[in-house]
Amino acid sequence: GEEVAQTPKHLVRGEGQKAKLYCAPIKGHSYVFWYQQVLKNEFKFLISFQNENVFDETGMPKERFSAKCLPNSPCSLEIQATKLEDSAVYFCASSRDRQETQYFGPGTRLLVL
Amino acid sequence: QKEVEQDPGPLSVPEGAIVSLNCTYSNSAFQYFMWYRQYSRKGPELLMYTYSSGNKEDGRFTAQVDKSSKYISLFIRDSQPSDSATYLCAMSGGSQGNLIFGKGTKLSVKP
Repeated sequence: GEEVAQTPKHLVRGEGQKAKLYCAPIKGHSYVFWYQQVLKNEFKFLISFQNENVFDETGMPKERFSAKCLPNSPCSLEIQATKLEDSAVYFCASSRDRQETQYFGPGTRLLVL
Repeated sequence: QKEVEQDPGPLSVPEGAIVSLNCTYSNSAFQYFMWYRQYSRKGPELLMYTYSSGNKEDGRFTAQVDKSSKYISLFIRDSQPSDSATYLCAMSGGSQGNLIFGKGTKLSVKP
């Protein structure tokens, strides 16, 4: 597609439940990036993929967060056993190459109660 | 010290004013500089993309990068109420490609 698509738009989970977010990058883009935006507009980089391969996972809280980009499927970000502090908007971005323009999706707003 | 500093505002200007937004950074490895606009409850939308130092103009928007001072700016001419949004600077460098964002400046253009 011509835009980055993210689903769902909103997600509400009780503390300790699992959350799974999806991202379909722009067709032809090789790189996918996940960012977390918390209060006061703070963007935090989580993980990036080059096609199906993890490229950089230095931002991922490894204990509960995992992500995948499989061929012919949307990319996913999964949070096991959500905590209150995971409440944030999760953005996916894609780019043709890692230093080229990143185009952002509309985000998934996760609320953990 | 954060890697990228940006005054969060808010900044309020009358319609037609020239707006100046800026960011400073500390990492000399940054080479790619971007300005994104984010409307409330939406994803960031790219406005300007600049590589290394210099100026770039696109319509009412001008981006400037001064690597020697580690300072980047975005100017908006003839500002419109539709420009009311949060403006985020972002930058990257090295081999990783992930963006480091400023905190964003909230701009309000009053009719």
